[in-house]
Amino acid sequence: QVQLQESGPGLVKPSETLSLTCAVSADSVSSSSYFWSWIRQPPGRGLEWIGYVYYTGSTKYNPSLKNRVTISIDTSKRQFYLDLSSVTAADTAVYFCARSAFRYGHYWFFDLWGRGSLVTV
Amino acid sequence: DVQMTQSPSSLSASVGDRVTITCRAGQSVDRYLNWYQQKPGEAPKILIYVASSLQSGVPSRFSGSGSGTDFTLTISSLQPEDFATYYCQQTYIPSYGFGQGTKVEMK
Repeated sequence: QVQLQESGPGLVKPSETLSLTCAVSADSVSSSSYFWSWIRQPPGRGLEWIGYVYYTGSTKYNPSLKNRVTISIDTSKRQFYLDLSSVTAADTAVYFCARSAFRYGHYWFFDLWGRGSLVTV
Repeated sequence: DVQMTQSPSSLSASVGDRVTITCRAGQSVDRYLNWYQQKPGEAPKILIYVASSLQSGVPSRFSGSGSGTDFTLTISSLQPEDFATYYCQQTYIPSYGFGQGTKVEMK
């Protein structure tokens, strides 16, 4: 059973960069069948997709965060990463990493999630 | 950005009730619509993808319908483990936004 685990500082100062790591327990991080996302959820609120990375390193970001976000991947370490710069209190949230699976070619959904990591700014 | 609006925001229901949650997109998202269930302190769990396809292992009392801008999640007979918050998500337009959630509470 593939598992995802987020790690990183639980407290970040305003204006600094939030950095998180997601460790993937199996080699599926190198598979062309999946891509790898970050999603966040402010306390008591809804979900916001941040962006994803493919095993090739190609990325796509939420336009609302695009100027501050970098997502990268290291397939040799079975890890992918989130950097969010110039953080403010509004970036306080539980940050989830998740795997996206495809169906019927181009439809996709998050089929596997980490447990989440609370980051407070 | 595509706004996803769920209704109601919350509802109270009893075990055995039929529950319907609606999700409306600000523009057509074809059938690129997923439904998730989230319980307190847990990550979301996929229920329905491509508007009406049931994820493996999800009970058949869950069903989805719709296309374009209007979608529905139905729980045919609410069970105790179904009290949770439900989110729709579109995967058609980057922002891949979620609805604001519908909290299903015990009456």
